[in-house]
Amino acid sequence: DAMVIQNPRYQVTQFGKPVTLSCSQTLNHNVMYWYQQKSSQAPKLLFHYYDKDFNNEADTPDNFQSRRPNTSFCFLDIRSPGLGDAAMYLCATSRDKRQTLAKNIQYFGAGTRLSVL
Amino acid sequence: QKEVEQNSGPLSVPEGAIASLNCTYSDRGSQSFFWYRQYSGKSPELIMFIYSNGDKEDGRFTAQLNKASQYVSLLIRDSQPSDSATYLCAVNFMIYNQGGKLIFGQGTELSVKP
Repeated sequence: DAMVIQNPRYQVTQFGKPVTLSCSQTLNHNVMYWYQQKSSQAPKLLFHYYDKDFNNEADTPDNFQSRRPNTSFCFLDIRSPGLGDAAMYLCATSRDKRQTLAKNIQYFGAGTRLSVL
Repeated sequence: QKEVEQNSGPLSVPEGAIASLNCTYSDRGSQSFFWYRQYSGKSPELIMFIYSNGDKEDGRFTAQLNKASQYVSLLIRDSQPSDSATYLCAVNFMIYNQGGKLIFGQGTELSVKP
């Protein structure tokens, strides 16, 4: 089945130790998103790729970086995780066209729960 | 600042009743609206989307949109205990040359009591 796959499902890292979360998709969608969701809060958009164009949210800390080497894969790098970065990280994809009424139906992966010790 | 507001709940309804979830949004230019269901510890799951004023029905779910009032709602008929979850309202905002991005409300926790 076509889907959005996130790995790993659970990640434990140490304070300050870099960590990379991965997302892959078989939907051939051109847009990929990374969200951070803390307990009992709404998903918060960190950044998104529109094709190869990277779009960072203004309030996303510099500690968070992303890479999209090809259409199918996108990575979230946290350079120096702090205790406040413990959260669920959600990857989503959508097929979006700038020229048309954007439906922007986003499909989410299962998420990666990050713990910082 | 683009905002999406929901009552956080919890909303408690008896099994078989109608659950009504509400959402308001700030950007009058928004054109796409979504309801996601999120079980505890899981990722959001799309259950309904609506683009036009009026009602859209899908099984036990009905989404209602009133763009003049900047209001979108979700009705769940014949509520079941398995519907107990947090329901996230999301609104698509178009950003010039960046495509669309969703702004989520904080979610309404629904509890369906047997």
